[in-house]
Amino acid sequence: GAGVSQTPSNKVTEKGKYVELRCDPISGHTALYWYRQSLGQGPEFLIYFQGTGAADDSGLPNDRFFAVRPEGSVSTLKIQRTERGDSAVYLCASSLYGDTEAFFGQGTRLTVV
Amino acid sequence: DQQVKQNSPSLSVQEGRISILNCDYTNSMFDYFLWYKKYPAEGPTFLISISSIKDKNEDGRFTVFLNKSAKHLSLHIVPSQPGDSAVYFCAASANSNSGYALNFGKGTSLLVTP
Repeated sequence: GAGVSQTPSNKVTEKGKYVELRCDPISGHTALYWYRQSLGQGPEFLIYFQGTGAADDSGLPNDRFFAVRPEGSVSTLKIQRTERGDSAVYLCASSLYGDTEAFFGQGTRLTVV
Repeated sequence: DQQVKQNSPSLSVQEGRISILNCDYTNSMFDYFLWYKKYPAEGPTFLISISSIKDKNEDGRFTVFLNKSAKHLSLHIVPSQPGDSAVYFCAASANSNSGYALNFGKGTSLLVTP
């Protein structure tokens, strides 16, 4: 498809496990963002990539969270030693460089039990 | 620290009437404002935006108004349709190290009744 694709749509994991969430941005979009949306809240910024490099990771809540984008396209958000408080919808968005309008994927709903 | 605030969690409007969704912000560095619409189990979808150098932008049934002195913007939908029922997020950005990362409000759930 032509839009931002996120997999899996849903992920249930046990507390303490490691998870990876994948984002396929729109082809040609160099800017990629990860957001986290908790229940009753708006999406909150986690990390921004311009090309392959993480230009700003100031939104990552702690060092259990890490994200990569090795070839400047697909990105993976990695969460180690998951906690119940990590349960949320993780959204990925992409845009053309310098463009203010970002296009979102459908999100990955992560549930830590 | 919530820099973008949507103080009405929900709004109910009759079909055909005007829907007005409000948003306030605190950061004077924001220079671009957007509205996103979100249906359950889907990602946010871009609706309309406005640059800080303008005070109004119109696209079909949707108009966004910006009052910079009051740090307030609003989205008007007229006429409202049942298919407009969704959660509406106000977002703001400023070009920075985080590109155009968006600061979102908590959203307003709009219900348009037939």
